[in-house]
Amino acid sequence: SAVISQKPSRDICQRGTSLTIQCQVDSQVTMMFWYRQQPGQSLTLIATANQGSEATYESGFVIDKFPISRPNLTFSTLTVSNMSPEDSSIYLCSVDRAGGGNTQYFGPGTRLTVL
Amino acid sequence: AQRVTQPEKLLSVFKGAPVELKCNYSYSGSPELFWYVQYSRQRLQLLLRHISRESIKGFTADLNKGETSFHLKKPFAQEEDSAMYYCALSSGGGNKLTFGTGTQLKVEL
Repeated sequence: SAVISQKPSRDICQRGTSLTIQCQVDSQVTMMFWYRQQPGQSLTLIATANQGSEATYESGFVIDKFPISRPNLTFSTLTVSNMSPEDSSIYLCSVDRAGGGNTQYFGPGTRLTVL
Repeated sequence: AQRVTQPEKLLSVFKGAPVELKCNYSYSGSPELFWYVQYSRQRLQLLLRHISRESIKGFTADLNKGETSFHLKKPFAQEEDSAMYYCALSSGGGNKLTFGTGTQLKVEL
């Protein structure tokens, strides 16, 4: 398995501001994923982040709203831009370890509340 | 497009009773199915995947392509099994996961 940490673990933000969430992995991984879990809902994939290339966004998610960085093989950030109360969710990163057979390992999540 | 359906939001059973958490999927290709579990105040973690054909914590799940199902079963529920269970499907290249809406399992004494 992989050890994954996220910062911050939670935050309360004002409407119109932006928050950057960090995801750190204890070893090099090829693929990192960002998910959103809205209250009472399941996990929805936002984007896939590979090192050295632009992130690939899922339908309904755009780079202007959720810019992602992947500067190296152990780190990624997700920014939630120009926030509104509808962005209140848990944001999770996950990684796909080489040889893991498509198994993903998840970080602890960042609980975001937008007022 | 792929879809994962978990029809029960909440399943309540007594300790020692059998458990079956239902999962149905729709996908045109050859799917890879997973069960993830989230215990209270813990992160989401893998429970089992169909290609391993393993039993974890007494749980098993068989992929039934005819019925497009991947139900999770355990013959005797334990109190520590109480958790949120998510069925997930991996499709195509890129290893993207599509999750069901989850079933909250509550094991009562």
